[in-house]
Amino acid sequence: GAVVSQHPSRVICKSGTSVKIECRSLDFQATTMFWYRQFPKKSLMLMATSNEGSKATYEQGVEKDKFLINHASLTLSTLTVTSAHPEDSSFYICSARPPLAVQETQYFGPGTRLLVL
Amino acid sequence: AQSVTQLDSQVPVFEEAPVELRCNYSSSVSVYLFWYVQYPNQGLQLLLKYLSGSTLVKGINGFEAEFNKSQTSFHLRKPSVHISDTAEYFCAVRGGYQKVTFGTGTKLQVIP
Repeated sequence: GAVVSQHPSRVICKSGTSVKIECRSLDFQATTMFWYRQFPKKSLMLMATSNEGSKATYEQGVEKDKFLINHASLTLSTLTVTSAHPEDSSFYICSARPPLAVQETQYFGPGTRLLVL
Repeated sequence: AQSVTQLDSQVPVFEEAPVELRCNYSSSVSVYLFWYVQYPNQGLQLLLKYLSGSTLVKGINGFEAEFNKSQTSFHLRKPSVHISDTAEYFCAVRGGYQKVTFGTGTKLQVIP
């Protein structure tokens, strides 16, 4: 099946620094990638949808200046948490959808656990 | 608006016993329903999905789910679980052109 990787798998950073998380589709081209956030004992919350070569579409309540998303190629999307604070600590998951796939087709990455001290 | 409820956060079950993971949803339009499985340190994998047609859907690894419109449920079942089924299971719903909404997940713990 299709493989999506995320890097890093875990990251610890100091408050006020920025952290970049990469999401790569390893064996297919992804025209659309999704970024989710998961709090403990909560469901996955969609943060934004990014399409290759265009600006990401953010969900209501998600600060686009804080969570910068770049989808520069068909196999790579990045999420940068700018000026991170302890409340940004969470599990971030990306998913990717191949071109021409039906809308419910998504392949998920293993997630990145961010801890902001 | 749409929502998904997974009432059980954890389900322990002995190996080779049957299991049912419950999922209820709400939506104002016709729905598509999904179950995903997440093994430790891995991404979510699609287990099965209901789009239309037969209400009994069979997925990978011997799992099946039944769409019950009157009860707004989409429970996941397996007649005999294995140790390798230990994972977290997420139910999800998409109504019409709305985005996919996930439940909070159920951790299945298979006891040897």
